[in-house]
Amino acid sequence: QQPVQSPQAVILREGEDAVINCSSSKALYSVHWYRQKHGEAPVFLMILLKGGEQKGHEKISASFNEKKQQSSLYLTASQLSYSGTYFCGTELEDNTNAGKSTFGDGTTLTVKP
Amino acid sequence: NAGVTQTPKFRILKIGQSMTLQCTQDMNHNYMYWYRQDPGMGLKLIYYSVGAGITDKGEVPNGYNVSRSTTEDFPLRLELAAPSQTSVYFCASSFHPTYGYTFGSGTRLTVV
Repeated sequence: QQPVQSPQAVILREGEDAVINCSSSKALYSVHWYRQKHGEAPVFLMILLKGGEQKGHEKISASFNEKKQQSSLYLTASQLSYSGTYFCGTELEDNTNAGKSTFGDGTTLTVKP
Repeated sequence: NAGVTQTPKFRILKIGQSMTLQCTQDMNHNYMYWYRQDPGMGLKLIYYSVGAGITDKGEVPNGYNVSRSTTEDFPLRLELAAPSQTSVYFCASSFHPTYGYTFGSGTRLTVV
């Protein structure tokens, strides 16, 4: 049930774009995204619910493709502050899992000057 | 507004010892969670609670116990600590899962 994130790591120069993917083998109800800096707690970025919506947060946006059971996080014109590990958390459509999320292993993003 | 507060921040335990990790939130959230994060890995759910008096197991509950007597507090008990329990433990809370989680700053536990 754990979602699969890709890529595992990405290195960018400031101003470049990146896409991080999160895929599930089961039908999803929601996908949420977090960023964690080294030695700190994960910080909530955004959540997408079943319905195939897209959301934006400054230069970071995400989409949720319900049919493909996949979400993608888009980071445009990356800044040094975007460096960190990005996690997706997924909640399955199955009601028995309501109220809890399973997280992927993370994607480490490094933005260099 | 303190959010989610975890204590202690660091702890070293000897094999076989027991301890309680404290977690409290002041946001009146019904949903609370305990996750562990091993180095370079993602978050694994240990236990969660959807309200006072209600708890349920997550992916990796063995060796742990929880209680939820109030909305604010969700302590995690480790009995008979083992080296495999060396990890960073995060407590999180949520008004509702569709609102995302607020995480505490974590407890770094080492079992030697």
